[in-house]
Amino acid sequence: DTEVTQTPKHLVMGMTNKKSLKCEQHMGHRAMYWYKQKAKKPPELMFVYSYEKLSINESVPSRFSPECPNSSLLNLHLHALQPEDSALYLCASHGAGELFFGEGSRLTVL
Amino acid sequence: QKEVEQNSGPLSVPEGAIASLNCTYSDRVSQSFFWYRQYSGKSPELIMSIYSNGDKEDGRFTAQLNKASQYVSLLIRDSQPSDSATYLCAVNMKTGTYKYIFGTGTRLKVLA
Repeated sequence: DTEVTQTPKHLVMGMTNKKSLKCEQHMGHRAMYWYKQKAKKPPELMFVYSYEKLSINESVPSRFSPECPNSSLLNLHLHALQPEDSALYLCASHGAGELFFGEGSRLTVL
Repeated sequence: QKEVEQNSGPLSVPEGAIASLNCTYSDRVSQSFFWYRQYSGKSPELIMSIYSNGDKEDGRFTAQLNKASQYVSLLIRDSQPSDSATYLCAVNMKTGTYKYIFGTGTRLKVLA
């Protein structure tokens, strides 16, 4: 099983809403990532968790709050987002020297 | 200077031709290099990884790495219309870290 599962696949939220994106992997990988990707742009690194500890935060605004409850799960809590935060949010896990992506959660902020 | 650079394209090649995609990186200590394919609206899919200087072949794909010149390339032989996608170069910037940086991607169009 080499799968990274992300839910929901699509999310529409208002600027005052609080929502969460979820990511799960059962490959035994110990590093998990959140990337943000805008149309026609490359994935942009947001956060990395290594062994359930936040190891990289690429100066992401505090309206994005990551959480790693255990080695298989990664959440991204969203609050007071702006329309410019609309993007594809990609979760990835790292194992055997390679990065594996989930299918992404497409977020629209109204 | 961007950390990982690619020509954004589009690169158009006829069906059956060889497509050549290039990537340069700025950090000399980078150790791991990857090519991903991304179809429109989909997530990136790993095609190849390469860690040592030289060529690495996998089916119709060949990755080439030259650390002295700080470039990595991807050749696609016998290009098919289904190869039309954006190809992203990714670099693990430093051994022992988990930081992967992506280039801007090259859009490839294979013309039938």
